[in-house]
Amino acid sequence: DVKVTQSSRYLVKRTGEKVFLECVQDMDHENMFWYRQDPGLGLRLIYFSYDVKMKEKGDIPEGYSVSREKKERFSLILESASTNQTSMYLCASSFAWGTEAFFGQGTRLTVV
Amino acid sequence: QKEVEQNSGPLSVPEGAIASLNCTYSDRGSQSFFWYRQYSGKSPELIMFIYSNGDKEDGRFTAQLNKASQYVSLLIRDSQPSDSATYLCAVPTNFGNEKLTFGTGTRLTIIP
Repeated sequence: DVKVTQSSRYLVKRTGEKVFLECVQDMDHENMFWYRQDPGLGLRLIYFSYDVKMKEKGDIPEGYSVSREKKERFSLILESASTNQTSMYLCASSFAWGTEAFFGQGTRLTVV
Repeated sequence: QKEVEQNSGPLSVPEGAIASLNCTYSDRGSQSFFWYRQYSGKSPELIMFIYSNGDKEDGRFTAQLNKASQYVSLLIRDSQPSDSATYLCAVPTNFGNEKLTFGTGTRLTIIP
């Protein structure tokens, strides 16, 4: 079974803190994604990566950055957390373009 | 125009009836289409995918694809209370850069 693991299930951070969300997949997938999910807005793509050290902006990249130094690990970085970044963050991976994505369990981030 | 659009619902269907969920997409180059189910507080999980025009059946679920009209639908026959969830349509867009875009989801409630 494919396993996508996010480092934290729940996280509470203060405004202005630098926040790291980690995601690891164990199936040698090429593609990895970070989404945030908010009520009424669905899953919105923040960043995605199709190879090590490669990254592409999604639909809402402002305030975020990412890092993919190893194929299995994709990190989302909030450089200076703000209250409007309070959300559920979901990491996903897929083998190749056009194949199904597998999701991690999600990280509920609260910025106070 | 949004890349992937769904009616947000909520959609209420009596137990045993057919639930019909619809999704339209804007990228004519899209080749594969996915339906995910998401229970409250959980991550999305894949239930159906379809690549070719026409119908694809898997148990009580049928996916229908019409590329000319750019829509994909999901039918759930003999609806059960356990089918109550949010259903997300996902479409890989922008071929070559691996973007995977989700609709906002349709919340389905099966009424016993």
